[in-house]
Amino acid sequence: GDSVTQMEGPVTLSEEAFLTINCTYTATGYPSLFWYVQYPGEGLQLLLKATKADDKGSNKGFEATYRKETTSFHLEKGSVQVSDSAVYFCALSGFQKLVFGTGTRLLVSP
Amino acid sequence: GAGVSQSPSNKVTEKGKDVELRCDPISGHTALYWYRQSLGQGLEFLIYFQGNSAPDKSGLPSDRFSAERTGGSVSTLTIQRTQQEDSAVYLCASVAGRNTGELFFGEGSRLTVL
Repeated sequence: GDSVTQMEGPVTLSEEAFLTINCTYTATGYPSLFWYVQYPGEGLQLLLKATKADDKGSNKGFEATYRKETTSFHLEKGSVQVSDSAVYFCALSGFQKLVFGTGTRLLVSP
Repeated sequence: GAGVSQSPSNKVTEKGKDVELRCDPISGHTALYWYRQSLGQGLEFLIYFQGNSAPDKSGLPSDRFSAERTGGSVSTLTIQRTQQEDSAVYLCASVAGRNTGELFFGEGSRLTVL
């Protein structure tokens, strides 16, 4: 069945460091891919998405490129801020539902 | 309301009791999802509603779990004879139409079974 694998956390970085959170997927067909973020005390919210191969999703300085050849959708940001501390979930659009990874906690210190 | 509303936000119960968790989706959103978030387990799909019908309830862990949706709006997830392994955060999300990508989540109901 469809599945998403994310790197385990927590990922601990200093402010202004470069961020990569790895995500790979297994799916039948050609799913859309998503990153959701959960800030402390808040509900999950969509961060960015890509609907087909080679698409790049971007938002709030975060980017991810849909790589069909490596079945990956890694999340990157060039310079993280303390306010980026959150849990990040990679997801794919399965049949009638989203399939999520286990989440990666990011901790950014000043 | 402006967003997805869930209640209660926290529920502590004794093993063997029944609990009901409520979800009030964004007005006009036809699709509604329940997920469960356990420590280290990510988000586990439970059930999906399109209108009042549930085309996919494949994620419900056992027959102690049930859900209904009435009037194409509010949904209730019921867990009977709760067990300690039911402890988790139960998340509800809604979306307009059949777009499965941009789910709008509530803040969740944290259930603790003692």
